[in-house]
Amino acid sequence: DAGVIQSPRHEVTEMGQEVTLRCKPISGHDYLFWYRQTMMRGLELLIYFNNNVPIDDSGMPEDRFSAKMPNASFSTLKIQPSEPRDSAVYFCASSFRGTYQETQYFGPGTRLLVL
Amino acid sequence: KQEVTQIPAALSVPEGENLVLNCSFTDSAIYNLQWFRQDPGKGLTSLLLIQSSQREQTSGRLNASLDKSSGRSTLYIAASQPGDSATYLCAVRGGNQFYFGTGTSLTVIP
Repeated sequence: DAGVIQSPRHEVTEMGQEVTLRCKPISGHDYLFWYRQTMMRGLELLIYFNNNVPIDDSGMPEDRFSAKMPNASFSTLKIQPSEPRDSAVYFCASSFRGTYQETQYFGPGTRLLVL
Repeated sequence: KQEVTQIPAALSVPEGENLVLNCSFTDSAIYNLQWFRQDPGKGLTSLLLIQSSQREQTSGRLNASLDKSSGRSTLYIAASQPGDSATYLCAVRGGNQFYFGTGTSLTVIP
């Protein structure tokens, strides 16, 4: 398996623009997680899905952030409008609640810079 | 709210040494605890996962222990190698939430 795939790997945008981050989880995994990592706040869970349904979005910072999972193989995290404080590395991870008991597999991340 | 702390923030050891990384959490009502490593500019790689009913897990030169009652976990690395240099993070799952520590940056000097 190719692992968790994220795109783009790097994104530079201007304040006020819409940003869409994409994630393809590992095939067969039923959980998908979106995280944000910054030097100041470390790694934070934003939202996660189980079988394409959002389970907990309490980590989503504000209404500018939204996430969708239209099917088992694709998810998006959208920021509209973007602000400089959104600059961070955004990770997607997936897991399977089975034999490996929720071990999470992370993608390489998307480095977002909002100017 | 659960708080996860990792001390020290950075550690430098000579190659071959055995070492222990520490993780503490404030709420003992956890579902599981996971140790990850993160290489610069990369995502996280899961090393070991300990369920709340378990005391320890081992994988190769790594051994992780869990003491729920005291809110502590340790990651023991035997015979450290330069390739072990990375940031190590612990994460606890409590209810529907996952909480990460800020990590320990490990440098193994050849």
